Amino acid sequence: GAVVSQHPSWVICKSGTSVKIECRSLDFQATTMFWYRQFPKQSLMLMATSNEGSKATYEQGVEKDKFLINHASLTLSTLTVTSAHPEDSSFYICSARDIQVTEAFFGQGTRLTVV
Amino acid sequence: KQEVTQIPAALSVPEGENLVLNCSFTDSAIYNLQWFRQDPGKGLTSLLLIQSSQREQTSGRLNASLDKSSGRSTLYIAASQPGDSATYLCAVFLSTLTFGKGTMLLVSP
Repeated sequence: GAVVSQHPSWVICKSGTSVKIECRSLDFQATTMFWYRQFPKQSLMLMATSNEGSKATYEQGVEKDKFLINHASLTLSTLTVTSAHPEDSSFYICSARDIQVTEAFFGQGTRLTVV
Repeated sequence: KQEVTQIPAALSVPEGENLVLNCSFTDSAIYNLQWFRQDPGKGLTSLLLIQSSQREQTSGRLNASLDKSSGRSTLYIAASQPGDSATYLCAVFLSTLTFGKGTMLLVSP
């Protein structure tokens, strides 16, 4: 299947700083990328849908000013957690979908710990 | 609003057993259904994708069925192995993917 690369796989940051997470589709063009958050022993919760060249669509309850999403190219989307706080500590996973394919491919996830 | 339920939440079996994981969804208007595997602290690995027009898909020891009208899917794992231990997630897709909470599977040697 197609490969989605997410970086970094884990990051520890101080409260108040910003963290950027990258999601790349390596062998296909992803017109749409999705960002999910997963709490321990919980399912994936969709945060936002990112479309190349346009603004992201955020799910209800997700602060768009806190979670900045940029989808500047057909192979790269970034999620920036701004002014991170300990409650933002979580597992973040991106997913990419090729318009030619209906299957969703996922990155390996990023474990964010805010101290 | 689409809701996806997976039963059981956890399952522990000895190696070699055949097992069935269940997934149900409330809105049958879906494009496809996907089964994923998630290892602890890792991302998702796609196992099987069933289009809404299909009834089942097979890959190796895995077989997934879809009954769209009743809102159900099953994942059948034959001759389970310790390496199959993971959390299995079911997700349905229309405009976005909606996930169940998963079934945590432990296969003991």
